Amino acid sequence: QSALTQPASVSGSPGQSITISCTGTSSDVGGYNYVSWYQQHPGKAPKLLIYDVRYRPSGVSNRFSGSKSGNTASLTISGLQAEDEADYYCNSYTSSDTYVFGTGTKVTVL
Amino acid sequence: QLQLQESGPGLVKPSETLSLTCSVSGGSIGTTNNFWDWIRQPPGEGLEWIGSISYGGTTYYCPSLKSRVTISADTSRNQFSLKLSSVTAADTAIYYCARRTIAVRDSWGQGTLVTVSS
Repeated sequence: QSALTQPASVSGSPGQSITISCTGTSSDVGGYNYVSWYQQHPGKAPKLLIYDVRYRPSGVSNRFSGSKSGNTASLTISGLQAEDEADYYCNSYTSSDTYVFGTGTKVTVL
Repeated sequence: QLQLQESGPGLVKPSETLSLTCSVSGGSIGTTNNFWDWIRQPPGEGLEWIGSISYGGTTYYCPSLKSRVTISADTSRNQFSLKLSSVTAADTAIYYCARRTIAVRDSWGQGTLVTVSS
């Protein structure tokens, strides 16, 4: 299985909104509503931000939102803050009963 | 609160078998709908799902690693384990264990670095 495709980097100024895409196929992203997003700061374990395409776990800021259209899922960060500077990964269930991660996106706050 | 902790050798020789254990506290690995994942991250690179074991003991593996991976569970110790055989330098990575409830991977261990080198 191939990794889901994410842009290598995305940047924005404080207060702006940015969107990270995650492109797969009909056998993963497009076929199931089991897309999740993770935030990872340097030296730390990933943290769950979004699950099942659009749902936020308790405690995650509502500045993070998820959506999906066809084979592409998206994570939007609104009101960008310095603390949002991190790596972001999408993850999807696949038709092979396995999971696949995205290539990862580095978010820079200018 | 659920906690996971990886343990095992930090250095493994090429061609040998990497063995790691994830100890779970604050919850039972036999809880219905819980799945227990292994995920790795080579230094400076992205995340890779290695495989998982279900609350009932069913295993699932990444196709590219399937021939070398074995995941097992010990419910009496509330632990699950990873074995990766015939390792090479490409298997050098931080290895994480995680709990997944259906598709919600909400609890992670801190990760443990395993280096493959002679």
